[in-house]
Amino acid sequence: SAVISQKPSRDICQRGTSLTIQCQVDSQVTMMFWYRQQPGQSLTLIATANQGSEATYESGFVIDKFPISRPNLTFSTLTVSNMSPEDSSIYLCSVKDGNEKLFFGSGTQLSVL
Amino acid sequence: RKEVEQDPGPFNVPEGATVAFNCTYSNSASQSFFWYRQDCRKEPKLLMSVYSSGNEDGRFTAQLNRASQYISLLIRDSKLSDSATYLCVVSYQAGTALIFGKGTTLSVSS
Repeated sequence: SAVISQKPSRDICQRGTSLTIQCQVDSQVTMMFWYRQQPGQSLTLIATANQGSEATYESGFVIDKFPISRPNLTFSTLTVSNMSPEDSSIYLCSVKDGNEKLFFGSGTQLSVL
Repeated sequence: RKEVEQDPGPFNVPEGATVAFNCTYSNSASQSFFWYRQDCRKEPKLLMSVYSSGNEDGRFTAQLNRASQYISLLIRDSKLSDSATYLCVVSYQAGTALIFGKGTTLSVSS
């Protein structure tokens, strides 16, 4: 299984600011997935980050709010822009192995005041 | 209709009990199925894949019914450490993102 390092593990931010979350994988992967888990809810896919092309966003998520970078096959960032309290959530990066199994970073717990 | 539906519970059972969770999915073209476990404030971790013929891993048994679009997880001889949220997960197509259910919460007490 892949080893995924995600940081920061948690942050408390003021509304209107932005936070960039980093995700580093110990092996090269074609796609990385960014999920959000709001309190008491399950995981919702934000976008799929592809190396060498723009990320693919799910319905309800836009690039201006959640810009993603994917500079190489082992690294990705997700930025939560112009934050509001509704953005308070856990953000998770993940990768798949060859058998479709998904592995997660340890998550970033974001609280917006 | 939600893509992946689970009974949220909570299921409160004593140690040693057998408990079963069910999950239904809406897309008949779904190809891969999994159960994940999520502990409080932690990331989800793969518990087991679900195969068409059914599969077992120690005290855990997973079954798939494609005709009814239904997945189950059976836990025998429950332990305190089994207390967690169990997420039913479905993949429509190889290489695409997985779809998560909301999870079923299990609490095992002594």
